[in-house]
Amino acid sequence: DQQVKQNSPSLSVQEGRISILNCDYTNSMFDYFLWYKKYPAEGPTFLISISSIKDKNEDGRFTVFLNKSAKHLSLHIVPSQPGDSAVYFCAASEGGSQGNLIFGKGTKLSVKP
Amino acid sequence: GAVVSQHPSRVICKSGTSVKIECRSLDFQATTMFWYRQFPKQSLMLMATSNEGSKATYEQGVEKDKFLINHASLTLSTLTVTSAHPEDSSFYICSARDSGQEAVYGYTFGSGTRLTVV
Repeated sequence: DQQVKQNSPSLSVQEGRISILNCDYTNSMFDYFLWYKKYPAEGPTFLISISSIKDKNEDGRFTVFLNKSAKHLSLHIVPSQPGDSAVYFCAASEGGSQGNLIFGKGTKLSVKP
Repeated sequence: GAVVSQHPSRVICKSGTSVKIECRSLDFQATTMFWYRQFPKQSLMLMATSNEGSKATYEQGVEKDKFLINHASLTLSTLTVTSAHPEDSSFYICSARDSGQEAVYGYTFGSGTRLTVV
């Protein structure tokens, strides 16, 4: 059973508009959530994160929102740029000494000029 | 920033042979490294957690005798796929956790290895 779910395998957005990537989770013990960006044939790179004690974290064009009651988080990219085209993975962790990450399946974002 | 070097980036091997993949943290010490596998259109699946100087911890369903992990130093972990079969063909990614950073934020991923078994 998947603990982290990204139900949209792909998303297409026009340049300059907002991209919204969604992620749902089932494990109420998760206390950190992260978004990774991955280009083809490369490893994921860390993008932004949020602790469960917050409901919003912003970094430049990227904002992550967390709704704990709904077990839902979303990544907003505004304005979207063609260079943002990549696969975005949502990941969650229970923290602790191991800090293992549980990944969603990813959403492929295509930003069209 | 932190860099993890993973080699080789691509490898093609014959069925029955073994392949070794290396994961090195270049500018930090990593007491813990992780090995992931990604199938097409699937998520990154954690295979095992590698701890320096001790045995790796394998996730359920991962054959430890087939996927040998060695973490002999604070900067190097290796994954050896033994007696490779075509179904082992996949994209393998390692990540290393900077011992000096808070657990969740210290992940740095390698660039991955595309293994094709023919």
